[in-house]
Amino acid sequence: AQKITQTQPGMFVQEKEAVTLDCTYDTSDQSYGLFWYKQPSSGEMIFLIYQGSYDEQNATEGRYSLNFQKARKSANLVISASQLGDSAMYFCAMREPLNNAGNMLTFGGGTRLMVKP
Amino acid sequence: EAGVTQSPTHLIKTRGQQATLRCSPISGHTSVYWYQQALGLGLQFLLWYDEGEERNRGNFPPRFSGRQFPNYSSELNVNALELEDSALYLCASKSLYNEQFFGPGTRLTVL
Repeated sequence: AQKITQTQPGMFVQEKEAVTLDCTYDTSDQSYGLFWYKQPSSGEMIFLIYQGSYDEQNATEGRYSLNFQKARKSANLVISASQLGDSAMYFCAMREPLNNAGNMLTFGGGTRLMVKP
Repeated sequence: EAGVTQSPTHLIKTRGQQATLRCSPISGHTSVYWYQQALGLGLQFLLWYDEGEERNRGNFPPRFSGRQFPNYSSELNVNALELEDSALYLCASKSLYNEQFFGPGTRLTVL
């Protein structure tokens, strides 16, 4: 079973509008971390935002916010006031506690966001 | 502060050859992770090095190997290259707060 699921292969959004990118995860651990990364066409993975499983408040970083619903095991990324430069692939990732696997990240399949002018 | 650096940017090899990819982490980071991103796919975990030791590896054959040097830089070696090894190889280093910061990647093409 996939640990991280991103059900939207591609999304369009009008410039200046908000967009939500979906992410659901599967873990039996109580302590974990959720990450969102942006990957432009250049290939570099850019860290956007982090949510810890015990954080009571939803994480926010500028125009990015994370809609964390623990009971539903979802961690959707909300981008407000979309800009043309937001066009990229977006990956949701999870870090599970330090065990034999270490702090490696498990990534979802990604969502390609295209911002229309 | 300099970010994670990787070299070379692009690498073209033929089937059966060996490839060596290099990564320098952010200063102060001791952990280095390697990921493979095949075309159109998500990232797959390859290897994790910390303090000079291989701590874990993903579901990849032994022809994928590497090492970490005393200055925490790392090499990824891929032996007996196969066509399906063509991918973007991303290196990341980990901060104290567990965010992983990625380098620009090495795009390996196997002909």
